[in-house]
Amino acid sequence: DTAVSQTPKYLVTQMGNDKSIKCEQNLGHDTMYWYKQDSKKFLKIMFSYNNKELIINETVPNRFSPKSPDKAHLNLHINSLELGDSAVYFCASSQDFPGSYNSPLHFGNGTRLTVT
Amino acid sequence: AQSVTQPDIHITVSEGASLELRCNYSYGATPYLFWYVQSPGQGLQLLLKYFSGDTLVQGIKGFEAEFKRSQSSFNLRKPSVHWSDAAEYFCAVLFSGGYNKLIFGAGTRLAVHP
Repeated sequence: DTAVSQTPKYLVTQMGNDKSIKCEQNLGHDTMYWYKQDSKKFLKIMFSYNNKELIINETVPNRFSPKSPDKAHLNLHINSLELGDSAVYFCASSQDFPGSYNSPLHFGNGTRLTVT
Repeated sequence: AQSVTQPDIHITVSEGASLELRCNYSYGATPYLFWYVQSPGQGLQLLLKYFSGDTLVQGIKGFEAEFKRSQSSFNLRKPSVHWSDAAEYFCAVLFSGGYNKLIFGAGTRLAVHP
């Protein structure tokens, strides 16, 4: 059973397009996250949702819009894709907000986005 | 400023050798500390964590880490490395204040020679 699942695993698209990445967790967690991992493997938080409410928005361009239809899902929509958006995007979840000591993050396997 | 530093970008060890991966943080209080491992094409998996108590913590896969307050360090160790340990290792620190944030270091890539 996959705890945190993301689709698609790979996404190749052209500049200017709009794309979405979906994430679902079956752990019953209250909090979900999107992280971006750049080509140097640096991981940076983008968004955090707790009970469908946006909690953290880390100076991400407004071309990125997360949507949480329910606690188990957190999707990421990206408008007008740019070359610099190429990265691996990780979804994660935790029982408590915000990924506290007793509630570590569980990560999905990532979505590798390539913008050409 | 709050920060997490992993000084070593790449480390190569021979199978069976011991391993130590370094992690330093900058924070005014004792933070929550974590080590995660990322295998190729996979998400991150929690190896171990620390907040208080015994400064030497045991994790999964035979890893341990030692918190040293005087050095603001939380180094990861393993006495004998296996080829399957080849992966990317991330130190992470949970900084509190306002909304807590889990900040990751830049990662250390471990290669294991047979």
